[in-house]
Amino acid sequence: DGGITQSPKYLFRKEGQNVTLSCEQNLNHDAMYWYRQDPGQGLRLIYYSQIVNDFQKGDIAEGYSVSREKKESFPLTVTSAQKNPTAFYLCASNEAGYTEAFFGQGTRLTVV
Amino acid sequence: GENVEQHPSTLSVQEGDSAVIKCTYSDSASNYFPWYKQELGKGPQLIIDIRSNVGEKKDQRIAVTLNKTAKHFSLHITETQPEDSAVYFCAASKGAVSGTYKYIFGTGTRLKVLA
Repeated sequence: DGGITQSPKYLFRKEGQNVTLSCEQNLNHDAMYWYRQDPGQGLRLIYYSQIVNDFQKGDIAEGYSVSREKKESFPLTVTSAQKNPTAFYLCASNEAGYTEAFFGQGTRLTVV
Repeated sequence: GENVEQHPSTLSVQEGDSAVIKCTYSDSASNYFPWYKQELGKGPQLIIDIRSNVGEKKDQRIAVTLNKTAKHFSLHITETQPEDSAVYFCAASKGAVSGTYKYIFGTGTRLKVLA
């Protein structure tokens, strides 16, 4: 089955630690995105990538980093510089020339 | 800046009744408006979308209307069923640059369909 896989589903981080969230897609999509979702708020764009080895900052990139070494993979690192990292993180992708974004099942990150 | 306002934040309807969720966008250059349904603990899924050259689109019990002059669009669900209970998000986009659509999302509406 084609789709987007995020792992892990739940992640706990101690303050001061970096953690990396995985996002893999087998849809052969060019563009990939990371969103953050907080209770009572919409989805806010962290980073996006249109092509391998290229990515751009979204609206709330501070404290996050990404890489796009392979077309199918777009991992997100939440660094210790992110002051309030507890949230639900969603990865998405879409195909060039189309509009629908496909989402993964999300990773819930909790700082303990 | 760009934003999308969504109302109401919560909506309860009796099974079989209709539900309407409204969104207003700020950027007149927006030309693509998707609606996503998110069930608890899952990622959002597209349920219907509309482009700016169309005023209305329908898919079985779901319809979306767009008023470009007023910069608002609405989701209509008829004959609601308990499985329609979820959080619904609207979004607006100005279109693709090399296939990348930067969506601005609304804050979501939690719909509860009461049996």
